[in-house]
Amino acid sequence: AQRVTQPEKLLSVFKGAPVELKCNYSYSGSPELFWYVQYSRQRLQLLLRHISRESIKGFTADLNKGETSFHLKKPFAQEEDSAMYYCALDLAGGTSYGKLTFGQGTILTVHP
Amino acid sequence: KAGVTQTPRYLIKTRGQQVTLSCSPISGHRSVSWYQQTPGQGLQFLFEYFSETQRNKGNFPGRFSGRQFSNSRSEMNVSTLELGDSALYLCASSFPGDTQYFGPGTRLTVL
Repeated sequence: AQRVTQPEKLLSVFKGAPVELKCNYSYSGSPELFWYVQYSRQRLQLLLRHISRESIKGFTADLNKGETSFHLKKPFAQEEDSAMYYCALDLAGGTSYGKLTFGQGTILTVHP
Repeated sequence: KAGVTQTPRYLIKTRGQQVTLSCSPISGHRSVSWYQQTPGQGLQFLFEYFSETQRNKGNFPGRFSGRQFSNSRSEMNVSTLELGDSALYLCASSFPGDTQYFGPGTRLTVL
């Protein structure tokens, strides 16, 4: 069975500092990886998806199949980035039938 | 395009009661997935419906059930509520195999 691990439950950085949220997965096939973000009192929303290779709000993530990782990075953190971040895995080709496997989440706090 | 909506937003029930939660997907989306979110267990998959058929089910007891209507709206039901069922219940809609978009959730408190 597939599994997603986010080793840091809490992460604190200062404004302007680089930030990296770690995500490791275990799955023998071809995964699709996502980062979702949940700001205070808001719904869970998609931040980025690895196949789109977009940079959203300055965040990027690269899928490293060798290390089975999908770390989220931003070179200069902003206070508005403070939120809960979830890494999620889906199976390629829609074969998961609607099941996303989530990590436990990382609470990012950006201090002024 | 309107997002995923869930009703009610908050519910308080007592042990032993049953509850029904509703989810209206984004227009055109026919896949609806349900998740339970708790501080201890995080986000856990309950089940998924597509074209009124349950295609996948997570590891939850039979007290948790759901259905989907012809307009893709979905409901989930929890019978014989237990204290441990207190959680935020999220639904998400998508085109099959595509990105899931989440609703705001229904906060269920069981007393």
